[in-house]
Amino acid sequence: EAQVTQNPRYLITVTGKKLTVTCSQNMNHEYMSWYRQDPGLGLRQIYYSMNVEVTDKGDVPEGYKVSRKEKRNFPLILESPSPNQTSLYFCASSLSWGWAGYTFGSGTRLTVV
Amino acid sequence: DQQVKQNSPSLSVQEGRISILNCDYTNSMFDYFLWYKKYPAEGPTFLISISSIKDKNEDGRFTVFLNKSAKHLSLHIVPSQPGDSAVYFCAASYTGANSKLTFGKGITLSVRP
Repeated sequence: EAQVTQNPRYLITVTGKKLTVTCSQNMNHEYMSWYRQDPGLGLRQIYYSMNVEVTDKGDVPEGYKVSRKEKRNFPLILESPSPNQTSLYFCASSLSWGWAGYTFGSGTRLTVV
Repeated sequence: DQQVKQNSPSLSVQEGRISILNCDYTNSMFDYFLWYKKYPAEGPTFLISISSIKDKNEDGRFTVFLNKSAKHLSLHIVPSQPGDSAVYFCAASYTGANSKLTFGKGITLSVRP
């Protein structure tokens, strides 16, 4: 089944404790992206990657890092999480960087206390 | 600056009636528009799209209309069904945007049986 898989689905952590949210897609998509969803703000892009070793900032990149060492994986790293990063996170992928609709993962609910 | 606006946070309609979800945009470079549907505890799923060379696109019960001069698009669902109850996101992109989608805040549709 073609899908984008995120892990974990739920995570509660403490301020400052580094964490990684994994994202993997099995569709051989070139383009991958991370979004966060917050009440009243919709979906905002954090980082994106057009291909292996090619990443760039989205609209709200502060406090996040990403890497794209393999085509299928695009982990989101929070080096020192803070409470304002409590949010619902979505990973998405699409076939090419030209332009296509996204396939989204099921989301990761992160709470930073 | 919000480039994609969904000004109504919620809409409630009776089963069998028409649902009309509205979306406005400010960036005149946008030339492709999409609607995504999101159920609780799931990631958004692609619903329907339209290119700026068209003013209408239809897929079953779903039709999207685009008015470029007004920078306005709308999603019509006819007839509405209880299973359509979800959050609907309007999104936009443009050629050269590196596949970036800019999303609205979403609108919660409730279809009453």
